[in-house]
Amino acid sequence: NAGVIQTPRHKVTGKGQEATLWCEPISGHSAVFWYRQTIVQGLEFLTYFRNQAPIDDSGMPKERFSAQMPNQSHSTLKIQSTQPQDSAVYLCASSPGGEGNYAEQFFGPGTRLTVL
Amino acid sequence: GDSVTQTEGQVALSEEDFLTIHCNYSASGYPTLFWYVQYPGEGPQLLFRASRDKEKGSSRGFEATYDKGTTSFHLRKASVQESDSAVYYCALGRSSNTDKVVFGTGTRLQVSP
Repeated sequence: NAGVIQTPRHKVTGKGQEATLWCEPISGHSAVFWYRQTIVQGLEFLTYFRNQAPIDDSGMPKERFSAQMPNQSHSTLKIQSTQPQDSAVYLCASSPGGEGNYAEQFFGPGTRLTVL
Repeated sequence: GDSVTQTEGQVALSEEDFLTIHCNYSASGYPTLFWYVQYPGEGPQLLFRASRDKEKGSSRGFEATYDKGTTSFHLRKASVQESDSAVYYCALGRSSNTDKVVFGTGTRLQVSP
């Protein structure tokens, strides 16, 4: 079990460029989560999928952020027209999910995004 | 909605000191409560959980007791070590309707030798 895999580990973009972050959840896990982490805001929920379907994107900035889960083995978080305030560590987590088997989330190491 | 409050943003201790990090929650019914720990350069990892009133969770010398009366799940350790330096998150989850977990703001623990 390799755990949750996130690539790249570090990404540097110029202001206005696009950034795509990748997450490979643990095989067999049905729920995938994205979080943003900064010193100031701490751990912020962005969005999550269950069985590849988007369930809750209440934390996503609507205009430039989008997330997809095209198959059970990976999810992407795309940020268009990146801004310096998007600089953060983006964490992906997966969970076994299912009624009564909830809530332990297994986190990847994160992608550190720096927008210059 | 559900929420978790951690009152200490940072805690600085010396080795062998006693640790308490306070966590209070607001939720109906019996959510499951968690403590996660995050070491530098890593994602948070589960320390332990508790699902019922008076249940004690524990791991690696850390412990917390689910108290529905005071809506608390305070983290304690009798004697901290420098290797315990990390960020600690209290969190709340439910089994019905959502897989989502609500995290507290985190407490950064720095232990000096």
